[in-house]
Amino acid sequence: DVKVTQSSRYLVKRTGEKVFLECVQDMDHENMFWYRQDPGLGLRLIYFSYDVKMKEKGDIPEGYSVSREKKERFSLILESASTNQTSMYLCASSSISGDTDTQYFGPGTRLTVL
Amino acid sequence: QKEVEQDPGPLSVPEGAIVSLNCTYSNSAFQYFMWYRQYSRKGPELLMYTYSSGNKEDGRFTAQVDKSSKYISLFIRDSQPSDSATYLCATMKNFGNEKLTFGTGTRLTIIP
Repeated sequence: DVKVTQSSRYLVKRTGEKVFLECVQDMDHENMFWYRQDPGLGLRLIYFSYDVKMKEKGDIPEGYSVSREKKERFSLILESASTNQTSMYLCASSSISGDTDTQYFGPGTRLTVL
Repeated sequence: QKEVEQDPGPLSVPEGAIVSLNCTYSNSAFQYFMWYRQYSRKGPELLMYTYSSGNKEDGRFTAQVDKSSKYISLFIRDSQPSDSATYLCATMKNFGNEKLTFGTGTRLTIIP
């Protein structure tokens, strides 16, 4: 059973703080993704990674960076948090094996920036 | 124009009714189509997956894809209160190193 875990369910930070969101998957998946989800806008891809130390920009990378030092772990970093980064952040992972399984999501981190 | 359009709802139907959820997409290169279900304060979970045009049935759920009209549907028969959730459609060109393109989601409530 695939499991994707995220370090926090709820997080409150102040404007200008550096924020780390951690994601860990236990299925040896090659691909990992970070999304944010906002009402009326749906899921928007921030960054994704196909392999260790590899990253690709998604649709809205501005204000974010990522790190993937180990295959199972993908971190999202907000260098200087701003109020417009208040959102639900979702991590996902998937395999490149091409079977019918697709992206598996973590439970999400609801981040509030004050 | 968004690549995948989905009516956000909300949609409320009585228990036992047939529910129809729909999406349209613009890129003819999309070949894989998914439906995710997301309960409140949880991450999305894969509900159904189809490849190219056609129907796929799984219990009370049927996913339908019409590539000629670029139309994706999810039907829920004998709807239950436990089906109350947000339903997200998603598409992808190929498996492997590919990202999903999501609709905005439709919030569904089944009224007992």
